[in-house]
Amino acid sequence: GEDVEQSLFLSVREGDSSVINCTYTDSSSTYLYWYKQEPGAGLQLLTYIFSNMDMKQDQRLTVLLNKKDKHLSLRIADTQTGDSAIYFCAENSGNTPLVFGKGTRLSVIA
Amino acid sequence: DTGVSQDPRHKITKRGQNVTFRCDPISEHNRLYWYRQTLGQGPEFLTYFQNEAQLEKSRLLSDRFSAERPKGSFSTLEIQRTEQGDSAMYLCASSLGGGENEKLFFGSGTQLSVL
Repeated sequence: GEDVEQSLFLSVREGDSSVINCTYTDSSSTYLYWYKQEPGAGLQLLTYIFSNMDMKQDQRLTVLLNKKDKHLSLRIADTQTGDSAIYFCAENSGNTPLVFGKGTRLSVIA
Repeated sequence: DTGVSQDPRHKITKRGQNVTFRCDPISEHNRLYWYRQTLGQGPEFLTYFQNEAQLEKSRLLSDRFSAERPKGSFSTLEIQRTEQGDSAMYLCASSLGGGENEKLFFGSGTQLSVL
């Protein structure tokens, strides 16, 4: 079955860039997503990338996809304290429900 | 507010009791999903509906769990004879569906604590 792996923790200083990594196993993944979850809240869709793209930029967010290695990353430029949250990578292949990783907890130090 | 809403936000119950949660999706969304999230884990898929039809159920969904979406709008998730292992955040999400890009929009969840 599908599996999505992420490192559990990341700590960065305010103003630095954050890079959150994700690997997935399903080679038929069509879309890959990044979600953000703040304490006690649901998940908020941040961005997504189609599998035939290798990069997508959206303001401070840059998504890189290496389809050969099944590796996805999310770069947050100029990280702020408000970016502190858990970030989830998710993938789907066609008509299947999204499969999520365990999440990476990002801590931003002022 | 036109987002996904869930009720209640928190539920505390005793083991063996039945509980029911409600989800109201974004009004034009055809698909409605239920996920479960425990501490330190990502959301795990439970079931989803396309309009009123329940299209898929995870093997995580034991016989004690039942979900309905009677008119293709709101949905309920019922857990019978709750167990301590059912303690989790139950998340509802909706999407337009019908395509490969399944952008899910989540509610704030119902936090269930079984004592």
